[in-house]
Amino acid sequence: GAGVSQSPRYKVAKRGQDVALRCDPISGHVSLFWYQQALGQGPEFLTYFQNEAQLDKSGLPSDRFFAERPEGSVSTLKIQRTQQEDSAVYLCASSLNLAFGNTIYFGEGSWLTVV
Amino acid sequence: AQTVTQSQPEMSVQEAETVTLSCTYDTSENNYYLFWYKQPPSRQMILVIRQEAYKQQNATENRFSVNFQKAAKSFSLKISDSQLGDTAMYFCAFMKRTTQGGSEKLVFGKGTKLTVNP
Repeated sequence: GAGVSQSPRYKVAKRGQDVALRCDPISGHVSLFWYQQALGQGPEFLTYFQNEAQLDKSGLPSDRFFAERPEGSVSTLKIQRTQQEDSAVYLCASSLNLAFGNTIYFGEGSWLTVV
Repeated sequence: AQTVTQSQPEMSVQEAETVTLSCTYDTSENNYYLFWYKQPPSRQMILVIRQEAYKQQNATENRFSVNFQKAAKSFSLKISDSQLGDTAMYFCAFMKRTTQGGSEKLVFGKGTKLTVNP
């Protein structure tokens, strides 16, 4: 596609509910990132994929957060038993290859509100 | 750990005037990139300008330019001839090369909300 596509754009979840957020990166992009942006803050790194391999998950805040990219293209970020502090915008980003300093392209994010 | 500080939570400027947004960072790395991203209300992060630490010449992109002071660890963004469409959040970000399989995560500041007034 022309850009990084994320769905749903908006999600309201009841506390304790599981949610799944989808990211469709730019076609052919090897690297895929997930970031979490709380209200009034800058984005914070969650996890990174190189093709289907999850090489860095150091930013995932708890074991309730899980991400996958099984075929090296579309990725899903799953949050189990959502809590109010999970309310944030979840940004997906991709870049073409592993060259240092490659431009990272962001999607418009999935806005999650936990009530 | 790298940190990025943007000391101006909000700024405003009149249309057609010039504004400078500040950013400082802390790192012990020698090889890294610095970026300014724009985030309009749609929330999509849009790259404005980038600077490689090894390049002494300040980057410019049309009306946008940076003042990169490596020794001072400062990376400010100057917007000339401000336009109404420049109204947005602006984030300064740092990227260093990692050894974890090429993971080049961005570290962002908290952002500066810029309003361009007519």
